[in-house]
Amino acid sequence: DAGVTQSPTHLIKTRGQQVTLRCSPKSGHDTVSWYQQALGQGPQFIFQYYEEEERQRGNFPDRFSGHQFPNYSSELNVNALLLGDSALYLCASSFEQGANGYTFGSGTRLTVV
Amino acid sequence: QKEVEQNSGPLSVPEGAIASLNCTYSDRGSQSFFWYRQYSGKSPELIMSIYSNGDKEDGRFTAQLNKASQYVSLLIRDSQPSDSATYLCASDSGGYQKVTFGTGTKLQVIP
Repeated sequence: DAGVTQSPTHLIKTRGQQVTLRCSPKSGHDTVSWYQQALGQGPQFIFQYYEEEERQRGNFPDRFSGHQFPNYSSELNVNALLLGDSALYLCASSFEQGANGYTFGSGTRLTVV
Repeated sequence: QKEVEQNSGPLSVPEGAIASLNCTYSDRGSQSFFWYRQYSGKSPELIMSIYSNGDKEDGRFTAQLNKASQYVSLLIRDSQPSDSATYLCASDSGGYQKVTFGTGTKLQVIP
Protein backbone atom coordinates (compact mmCIF):
# COMPACT_ATOMS: atom_id res chain seq x y z
CA ASP A 1 0.00 0.00 0.00
CA ALA A 2 1.80 3.10 -1.25
CA GLY A 3 1.85 5.94 1.20
CA VAL A 4 2.21 9.60 0.34
CA THR A 5 5.06 10.21 -2.08
CA GLN A 6 6.82 13.56 -2.34
CA SER A 7 9.53 14.65 -4.72
CA PRO A 8 12.21 15.78 -4.66
CA THR A 9 13.42 15.04 -1.13
CA HIS A 10 15.91 17.89 -1.09
CA LEU A 11 16.28 20.99 -3.21
CA ILE A 12 18.63 23.97 -3.24
CA LYS A 13 17.51 27.10 -5.10
CA THR A 14 18.74 30.66 -5.49
CA ARG A 15 16.76 33.70 -4.40
CA GLY A 16 14.35 34.82 -7.09
CA GLN A 17 14.06 31.41 -8.71
CA GLN A 18 10.91 29.33 -8.98
CA VAL A 19 10.36 25.84 -7.63
CA THR A 20 7.81 23.07 -8.13
CA LEU A 21 7.23 20.37 -5.53
CA ARG A 22 5.19 17.26 -6.25
CA CYS A 23 2.98 14.97 -4.21
CA SER A 24 1.16 11.72 -4.89
CA PRO A 25 -1.46 10.96 -2.24
CA LYS A 26 -1.99 7.67 -0.50
CA SER A 27 -4.09 5.16 -2.41
CA GLY A 28 -7.78 5.86 -1.76
CA HIS A 29 -7.21 9.49 -0.76
CA ASP A 30 -8.59 12.33 -2.84
CA THR A 31 -7.47 15.44 -0.96
CA VAL A 32 -4.05 17.04 -0.71
CA SER A 33 -3.06 19.71 1.81
CA TRP A 34 0.30 21.46 1.78
CA TYR A 35 2.16 22.65 4.86
CA GLN A 36 5.37 24.57 5.48
CA GLN A 37 7.36 23.63 8.55
CA ALA A 38 10.23 25.80 9.72
CA LEU A 39 12.79 24.34 12.10
CA GLY A 40 11.38 24.02 15.60
CA GLN A 41 7.90 25.11 14.55
CA GLY A 42 4.63 23.35 13.86
CA PRO A 43 3.43 22.87 10.29
CA GLN A 44 1.82 25.99 8.81
CA PHE A 45 -1.14 25.49 6.48
CA ILE A 46 -0.57 26.70 2.93
CA PHE A 47 -3.65 25.40 1.09
CA GLN A 48 -5.84 22.38 0.41
CA TYR A 49 -6.89 20.89 -2.91
CA TYR A 50 -9.98 18.77 -3.36
CA GLU A 51 -11.75 17.93 -6.61
CA GLU A 52 -9.02 19.84 -8.44
CA GLU A 53 -9.90 23.10 -6.71
CA GLU A 54 -8.23 25.12 -3.99
CA ARG A 55 -10.70 24.82 -1.10
CA GLN A 56 -8.96 26.76 1.65
CA ARG A 57 -5.86 28.87 1.91
CA GLY A 58 -3.63 29.90 4.78
CA ASN A 59 -1.76 33.17 5.26
CA PHE A 60 0.67 32.73 2.41
CA PRO A 61 1.30 35.21 -0.42
CA ASP A 62 0.24 34.64 -4.00
CA ARG A 63 3.79 33.53 -4.78
CA PHE A 64 2.58 30.19 -3.47
CA SER A 65 0.27 28.43 -5.88
CA GLY A 66 -0.82 24.91 -6.52
CA HIS A 67 -2.64 22.49 -8.67
CA GLN A 68 -4.38 19.16 -8.35
CA PHE A 69 -4.60 16.73 -11.23
CA PRO A 70 -7.42 14.30 -12.08
CA ASN A 71 -5.42 11.44 -10.52
CA TYR A 72 -5.41 13.45 -7.22
CA SER A 73 -1.69 14.18 -7.34
CA SER A 74 -0.70 17.75 -6.63
CA GLU A 75 1.99 20.34 -7.22
CA LEU A 76 3.10 23.26 -5.09
CA ASN A 77 4.74 26.13 -6.94
CA VAL A 78 6.66 28.93 -5.30
CA ASN A 79 7.76 31.92 -7.36
CA ALA A 80 10.35 34.59 -6.61
CA LEU A 81 11.93 32.57 -3.83
CA LEU A 82 13.04 34.34 -0.67
CA LEU A 83 15.55 33.18 1.91
CA GLY A 84 12.62 32.87 4.32
CA ASP A 85 11.02 30.22 2.13
CA SER A 86 13.66 27.76 3.29
CA ALA A 87 11.74 25.07 5.16
CA LEU A 88 10.40 21.54 5.06
CA TYR A 89 7.36 21.34 2.80
CA LEU A 90 4.93 18.64 3.77
CA CYS A 91 2.17 17.13 1.71
CA ALA A 92 -0.72 15.63 3.66
CA SER A 93 -3.27 13.41 1.97
CA SER A 94 -6.72 12.50 3.23
CA PHE A 95 -10.12 11.28 2.16
CA GLU A 96 -12.85 13.86 1.60
CA GLN A 97 -10.95 16.83 2.96
CA GLY A 98 -9.56 15.21 6.04
CA ALA A 99 -12.19 14.93 8.73
CA ASN A 100 -10.43 11.75 9.91
CA GLY A 101 -6.91 13.11 9.90
CA TYR A 102 -4.02 13.23 7.49
CA THR A 103 -1.26 10.99 6.24
CA PHE A 104 1.92 12.96 5.66
CA GLY A 105 4.61 12.41 3.10
CA SER A 106 8.27 12.51 4.11
CA GLY A 107 8.56 16.09 2.90
CA THR A 108 10.75 18.17 0.63
CA ARG A 109 13.54 20.10 2.27
CA LEU A 110 13.92 23.39 0.37
CA THR A 111 16.97 25.54 0.93
CA VAL A 112 17.08 29.00 -0.65
CA VAL A 113 20.54 30.58 -0.90
CA GLN B 1 -3.52 34.79 20.00
CA LYS B 2 -2.40 31.60 18.34
CA GLU B 3 -5.21 29.29 17.24
CA VAL B 4 -3.64 26.21 18.83
CA GLU B 5 -1.26 26.60 21.74
CA GLN B 6 1.10 24.10 23.31
CA ASN B 7 3.95 24.30 25.77
CA SER B 8 7.10 23.68 23.74
CA GLY B 9 8.77 21.74 26.55
CA PRO B 10 10.86 19.73 26.78
CA LEU B 11 8.74 17.57 29.04
CA SER B 12 10.92 14.96 30.72
CA VAL B 13 9.41 11.86 32.32
CA PRO B 14 11.03 8.66 33.60
CA GLU B 15 10.44 5.41 31.76
CA GLY B 16 7.21 3.76 32.88
CA ALA B 17 5.60 7.01 34.03
CA ILE B 18 2.54 8.77 32.60
CA ALA B 19 3.30 11.64 30.24
CA SER B 20 0.64 14.36 30.08
CA LEU B 21 0.61 16.69 27.09
CA ASN B 22 -1.73 19.67 26.94
CA CYS B 23 -3.17 21.93 24.26
CA THR B 24 -5.63 24.81 24.13
CA TYR B 25 -7.46 26.18 21.11
CA SER B 26 -9.14 29.50 20.44
CA ASP B 27 -11.84 28.70 17.86
CA ARG B 28 -15.03 27.54 19.62
CA GLY B 29 -16.28 26.28 16.26
CA SER B 30 -13.58 23.61 16.06
CA GLN B 31 -15.04 20.14 15.78
CA SER B 32 -12.10 17.81 15.20
CA PHE B 33 -8.92 17.45 17.19
CA PHE B 34 -5.82 15.45 16.45
CA TRP B 35 -2.56 14.41 18.03
CA TYR B 36 0.41 13.75 15.78
CA ARG B 37 3.82 12.42 16.75
CA GLN B 38 6.90 13.70 14.95
CA TYR B 39 10.28 12.10 15.43
CA SER B 40 13.30 14.29 14.77
CA GLY B 41 13.91 14.59 11.04
CA LYS B 42 10.70 12.76 10.16
CA SER B 43 7.21 13.80 9.14
CA PRO B 44 4.19 13.88 11.50
CA GLU B 45 2.26 10.67 12.11
CA LEU B 46 -1.37 10.62 13.27
CA ILE B 47 -1.77 8.84 16.60
CA MET B 48 -5.18 9.96 17.88
CA SER B 49 -8.26 11.84 16.78
CA ILE B 50 -11.11 12.98 19.03
CA TYR B 51 -14.38 14.67 18.21
CA SER B 52 -16.57 14.49 21.34
CA ASN B 53 -16.14 15.65 24.91
CA GLY B 54 -14.60 13.06 27.18
CA ASP B 55 -11.89 10.46 26.86
CA LYS B 56 -10.83 8.25 23.98
CA GLU B 57 -8.41 5.42 24.61
CA ASP B 58 -6.18 3.57 22.16
CA GLY B 59 -3.63 1.26 23.70
CA ARG B 60 -1.28 3.29 25.90
CA PHE B 61 -2.70 6.58 24.58
CA THR B 62 -5.71 8.47 25.93
CA ALA B 63 -6.97 11.69 24.36
CA GLN B 64 -9.17 13.98 26.42
CA LEU B 65 -11.38 16.78 25.08
CA ASN B 66 -13.15 19.53 27.01
CA LYS B 67 -14.89 21.87 24.60
CA ALA B 68 -16.19 24.15 27.34
CA SER B 69 -12.62 24.85 28.43
CA GLN B 70 -11.26 24.61 24.87
CA TYR B 71 -8.71 22.12 26.10
CA VAL B 72 -7.29 18.92 24.62
CA SER B 73 -4.81 16.59 26.26
CA LEU B 74 -2.92 13.42 25.50
CA LEU B 75 -1.88 10.93 28.16
CA ILE B 76 0.77 8.33 27.43
CA ARG B 77 0.83 5.52 29.97
CA ASP B 78 3.91 3.38 30.64
CA SER B 79 6.09 5.83 28.70
CA GLN B 80 8.94 4.25 26.74
CA PRO B 81 12.16 5.82 25.41
CA SER B 82 10.72 5.20 21.93
CA ASP B 83 7.94 7.68 22.79
CA SER B 84 10.54 10.48 22.82
CA ALA B 85 9.39 12.80 20.05
CA THR B 86 7.57 16.06 19.45
CA TYR B 87 3.81 15.81 19.87
CA LEU B 88 1.73 18.13 17.72
CA CYS B 89 -1.83 19.10 18.63
CA ALA B 90 -4.09 20.11 15.74
CA SER B 91 -7.66 21.24 15.21
CA ASP B 92 -9.91 22.13 12.29
CA SER B 93 -10.04 25.76 13.34
CA GLY B 94 -11.01 26.98 9.91
CA GLY B 95 -13.32 24.17 8.95
CA TYR B 96 -12.02 20.72 8.16
CA GLN B 97 -10.48 22.08 5.02
CA LYS B 98 -7.91 23.83 7.21
CA VAL B 99 -6.26 21.94 10.02
CA THR B 100 -4.15 24.17 12.26
CA PHE B 101 -1.21 22.81 14.22
CA GLY B 102 0.37 23.94 17.43
CA THR B 103 4.12 24.37 17.72
CA GLY B 104 4.46 20.98 19.40
CA THR B 105 5.66 19.71 22.78
CA LYS B 106 8.95 17.85 22.90
CA LEU B 107 8.74 14.77 25.11
CA GLN B 108 11.83 13.09 26.52
CA VAL B 109 11.43 9.71 28.22
CA ILE B 110 14.42 9.04 30.43
CA PRO B 111 15.46 5.34 30.76
